[in-house]
Amino acid sequence: RKEVEQDPGPFNVPEGATVAFNCTYSNSASQSFFWYRQDCRKEPKLLMSVYSSGNEDGRFTAQLNRASQYISLLIRDSKLSDSATYLCVVTTDSWGKLQFGAGTQVVVTP
Amino acid sequence: NAGVTQTPKFRVLKTGQSMTLLCAQDMNHEYMYWYRQDPGMGLRLIHYSVGEGTTAKGEVPDGYNVSRLKKQNFLLGLESAAPSQTSVYFCASRMDGSVYGYTFGSGTRLTVV
Repeated sequence: RKEVEQDPGPFNVPEGATVAFNCTYSNSASQSFFWYRQDCRKEPKLLMSVYSSGNEDGRFTAQLNRASQYISLLIRDSKLSDSATYLCVVTTDSWGKLQFGAGTQVVVTP
Repeated sequence: NAGVTQTPKFRVLKTGQSMTLLCAQDMNHEYMYWYRQDPGMGLRLIHYSVGEGTTAKGEVPDGYNVSRLKKQNFLLGLESAAPSQTSVYFCASRMDGSVYGYTFGSGTRLTVV
């Protein structure tokens, strides 16, 4: 079983619409949680950290459910530039090793 | 504003050849990591280092060696390349005490034929 699992998509989203997707993680001892964005196999870039209380960054909202071991990302008012692969990432130890999901592809269409 | 620099960016190797990938960071980060990314899979950790002179195995270390003789450089070596090592390799670094401050290099695309 993979440590971090994601729906690969693609999620095809009309411009201006809202899209949401989740990932699940298997290690209950996971400590930190993130969403990264990756464009066309370029390097991953941190989109936002995820906290149990939920957090927003502009049009992006992230949520963590420790009891059910899943993380969610919601994108409001989708822009064409939001087209990318979104990577769910967790850390499980003090060395900060990142565990990546395989990514969810989002395609925003005009 | 160099950040993390990986060289080379592209390389084609023949099976059995050796090569070294270089990762250099200019941010005085303690921690450095090598990941590989294959289609349909997330990035997987190959080796990592928690400081100059230290290295440790990650999830998929077989077929690779690493060295961190200088704090700013983390080298990944392939002694005898195999087609299964065809992948995109990413290096990352972060400062001690901050799981939020990762910086990734732009990647090395390696093809082994």
